[in-house]
Amino acid sequence: AQSVTQLGSHVSVSEGALVLLRCNYSSSVPPYLFWYVQYPNQGLQLLLKYTTGATLVKGINGFEAEFKKSETSFHLTKPSAHMSDAAEYFCAVRGSSASKIIFGSGTRLSIRP
Amino acid sequence: DAGVIQSPRHEVTEMGQEVTLRCKPISGHNSLFWYRQTMMRGLELLIYFNNNVPIDDSGMPEDRFSAKMPNASFSTLKIQPSEPRDSAVYFCASSFSEGHYEQYFGPGTRLTVT
Repeated sequence: AQSVTQLGSHVSVSEGALVLLRCNYSSSVPPYLFWYVQYPNQGLQLLLKYTTGATLVKGINGFEAEFKKSETSFHLTKPSAHMSDAAEYFCAVRGSSASKIIFGSGTRLSIRP
Repeated sequence: DAGVIQSPRHEVTEMGQEVTLRCKPISGHNSLFWYRQTMMRGLELLIYFNNNVPIDDSGMPEDRFSAKMPNASFSTLKIQPSEPRDSAVYFCASSFSEGHYEQYFGPGTRLTVT
């Protein structure tokens, strides 16, 4: 069965510091992996996705993620945090049934001035 | 494209009243999902449709909840009767089932049941 584990429900970094949000997955089919971002009082917005091909995926707002099959990981990074990055981030993997994707429990990212 | 449209954006109702939430998916998408988000339980999938047909409603909490998709451009989630514990943000999302599964979310409906 497909599942996602996000390590750390809350991550706090200083403005300008590296952002690293961790995600590990389990999948019985070739994984499609996603990161979504949710700003306060908004819906979830697709940040980036991995399906096939290049394992380093670039997304919006300077974020990127690397698919590592051997580690079953898909960690999200950004070299330099900005105050506007404060939000909830969700990692997700496609489910076994048509169309469905499985979301992690989310990581709240706070940025310290 | 207008994106996924949900209405109303906010709903305040009294316990026992019927509540209907509405969703218009992105044109051309043939999968539609209803989620509920609360602080305590996080993001929960309630039900999803493929080509207007309900595929999995195992997340619907109880018989007070029902969902319909009469055509490719409209879906409703109904709660009757509503209870205070139904207070949450309800999201609708859509996707193209022949694509890579990415879902596009609406802005949500914040429901408060007093």
